[in-house]
Amino acid sequence: AQKVTQAQTEISVVEKEDVTLDCVYETRDTTYYLFWYKQPPSGELVFLIRRNSFDEQNEISGRYSWNFQKSTSSFNFTITASQVVDSAVYFCALSEARNYQLIWGAGTKLIIKP
Amino acid sequence: EAQVTQNPRYLITVTGKKLTVTCSQNMNHEYMSWYRQDPGLGLRQIYYSMNVEVTDKGDVPEGYKVSRKEKRNFPLILESPSPNQTSLYFCASSAPAGGGLREQFFGPGTRLTVL
Repeated sequence: AQKVTQAQTEISVVEKEDVTLDCVYETRDTTYYLFWYKQPPSGELVFLIRRNSFDEQNEISGRYSWNFQKSTSSFNFTITASQVVDSAVYFCALSEARNYQLIWGAGTKLIIKP
Repeated sequence: EAQVTQNPRYLITVTGKKLTVTCSQNMNHEYMSWYRQDPGLGLRQIYYSMNVEVTDKGDVPEGYKVSRKEKRNFPLILESPSPNQTSLYFCASSAPAGGGLREQFFGPGTRLTVL
C-alpha cells in the first residue's frame, strides 16, 4: 500500500536559516511519481515539483532544492536562506503509475520568523 | 485566465440535506479530482476522473458521489451529508493523463459545515 510520512508537524526557524522538510514514502511499485505542494496562509494549493522514480537527480530551483533518494525512500525539500514569505504548510505526495490516485502526507507547517 | 472554479466557497447545511459542490476547469484537462482536507490528516482523495464518463474511487469515497458528463465539469454530490463530512474540499485538474499523474491545478476550496 502507498503511504507518505511527513514526521515534522511544525518547524519554526528564523529568517535566513536553511531548513529541510522530510518526506518518506512507501510503495511496492517501481514506477511512481513524487510531488511537493505548498499551501500558504491564504489557503490555495501551489505545485512545486514532480519527480518520477527513474530520475534520482537532485533538483534546484532558486532557493529551493529537492533530494530524492530511492535507497531510503525519501524525497526531502530544502529551503536555503528562508524568507518570511516561505511560511506555509508543505505537502509531499505520491502517485503510483498503475493508477492515478494521489496519497498525501499530513503536511509540515513551516514558520519563518523575521 | 486558466483556472479551476468551485461553488459555493462556503456552505453550512444540516444533516441529510442533499447538496452539490460544483467544479469547473477551463484548461481542457482530462483528469479531475476531489480532495478533502482535515487538520492533522493532510489531503485525502475522494474520487478522480480520467476522462468523460470515467470515474474511480480514491481513499475516502464513502458518502460521496461524482459524475463526469462533460470534460470541464466534475460535481461532487453529498446525498445525505453527515457531520463527519464537515471539511475543506478541493477540486483539481491536470493535463492529459498518459504517463502518470502530472501537476494539478487546484480550485480555491469549499468549506463545508454539516450541522
